[in-house]
Amino acid sequence: EAGVAQSPRYKIIEKRQSVAFWCNPISGHATLYWYQQILGQGPKLLIQFQNNGVVDDSQLPKDRFSAERLKGVDSTLKIQPAKLEDSAVYLCASSGTGTGNLEQYFGPGTRLTVT
Amino acid sequence: GQNIDQPTEMTATEGAIVQINCTYQTSGFNGLFWYQQHAGEAPTFLSYNVLDGLEEKGRFSSFLSRSKGYSYLLLKELQMKDSASYLCAVSPFSGGYNKLIFGAGTRLAVHP
Repeated sequence: EAGVAQSPRYKIIEKRQSVAFWCNPISGHATLYWYQQILGQGPKLLIQFQNNGVVDDSQLPKDRFSAERLKGVDSTLKIQPAKLEDSAVYLCASSGTGTGNLEQYFGPGTRLTVT
Repeated sequence: GQNIDQPTEMTATEGAIVQINCTYQTSGFNGLFWYQQHAGEAPTFLSYNVLDGLEEKGRFSSFLSRSKGYSYLLLKELQMKDSASYLCAVSPFSGGYNKLIFGAGTRLAVHP
C-alpha cells in the first residue's frame, strides 16, 4: 500500500513570498490533516478535512494560510505571504473515518525555510 | 485548556529499559497515542490506549490511567536505533472527528 505522498520535500523562500505544498493521502482515507512542526516541538494541527469539507481549522492563521481538498482526495496548503516564523516542517497525514483507534499515517513532510 | 507534558530529553544505555512519562489535561478523552519520530523523518505509530491498563507490543509497552491523566511508554532491551523523539498525543472529544493534540516530544538518546 502506498503511503502519504508530499511535495516538495524542501523549499526555501524569502519572507513575503508565497508557497504551496501538495499532499496525496492513502487511498480510501477520508480524513486528511495538515500539521506544522516547528523544530523541537510536537506537530500542531492546522486544518482537518473530512472528505472535501473542513471539520477543524481553529489553529489555521487564516490571514495568510489557506488549504483546500478538491474532490476529497489531494490537498494543497498555501502560505501567502510567508513570515520568518513560518519556517517549519509541514506534515500531511491521513486516516480512516470515525472515532477510536484511528492511526494517522504521516507523509515525509515539507521542510520550509523562510529567509 | 488542553495540555500535554512529557520530559524534554532522556538518555539510556543499550540493552536497558526506559520509561517515558506523559501527563495530560484535555476536554474529553478518546484515546492516547504514542508515536516515534526519527530526526528528519515523519512520525510513525507505536501504540494506542483508550482503557486503563497496559498494552504490550514486542519490546514496547504503553500504560494508561485515565483518572490520573497519565500514560507511560516502556521500551525494553534498548537498541541504538531506538534513539528518536517519542511523541505523546491525546485525542480529545471532538464531535465525532478524530483529532490529535501532540506533546512536544521526548528526545531519547541510547548510548552503547
